[in-house]
Amino acid sequence: DQQVKQNSPSLSVQEGRISILNCDYTNSMFDYFLWYKKYPAEGPTFLISISSIKDKNEDGRFTVFLNKSAKHLSLHIVPSQPGDSAVYFCAAKAMDSNYQLIWGAGTKLIIKP
Amino acid sequence: EAQVTQNPRYLITVTGKKLTVTCSQNMNHEYMSWYRQDPGLGLRQIYYSMNVEVTDKGDVPEGYKVSRKEKRNFPLILESPSPNQTSLYFCASSFALSNQPQHFGDGTRLSIL
Repeated sequence: DQQVKQNSPSLSVQEGRISILNCDYTNSMFDYFLWYKKYPAEGPTFLISISSIKDKNEDGRFTVFLNKSAKHLSLHIVPSQPGDSAVYFCAAKAMDSNYQLIWGAGTKLIIKP
Repeated sequence: EAQVTQNPRYLITVTGKKLTVTCSQNMNHEYMSWYRQDPGLGLRQIYYSMNVEVTDKGDVPEGYKVSRKEKRNFPLILESPSPNQTSLYFCASSFALSNQPQHFGDGTRLSIL
């Protein structure tokens, strides 16, 4: 049973618009969440993270929102740019684990010109 | 340049022929980890290491071995590869502090015939 779910395998967004990527989790022991971005033939690179004591974290065009009651987080990219086309992974860490991450299956974001 | 280097990047081999995938990092990271990525499943942890001579199983360790004799290197060994180990493999490293983002290599695509 997947503890971290990204239910949209792909998402297509017009350049300049907002991209919203979603992630749901089932384990209430998760206390830290991360988003990674992956280009073809490269490894994932860290994008942004959020602790469970916050409900929002912002870094430039990227904002992550956390809704603990719904066990849901989302990544907003505004405005979307062609270089944002990539696969985005959501990952979560449990309170009793310092390093082990549980990963979602990823969402492929396509930015259309 | 700070990086995690994996070799080889691609390998096609046959069932039962022992192989080793090397991983090296130049960031003096204590923590290193191996993942496999399969379609629809995200990244799953195979083994991890908290420091030299300290290794532990992840979620899918069967059929794999690792060693951590030096801080910078963390090779993944498949003693008797089987077709179900055909996958995309990633090595990652980070400092051994809670919530440090992991840095990934560019991946190794293994095909076991």
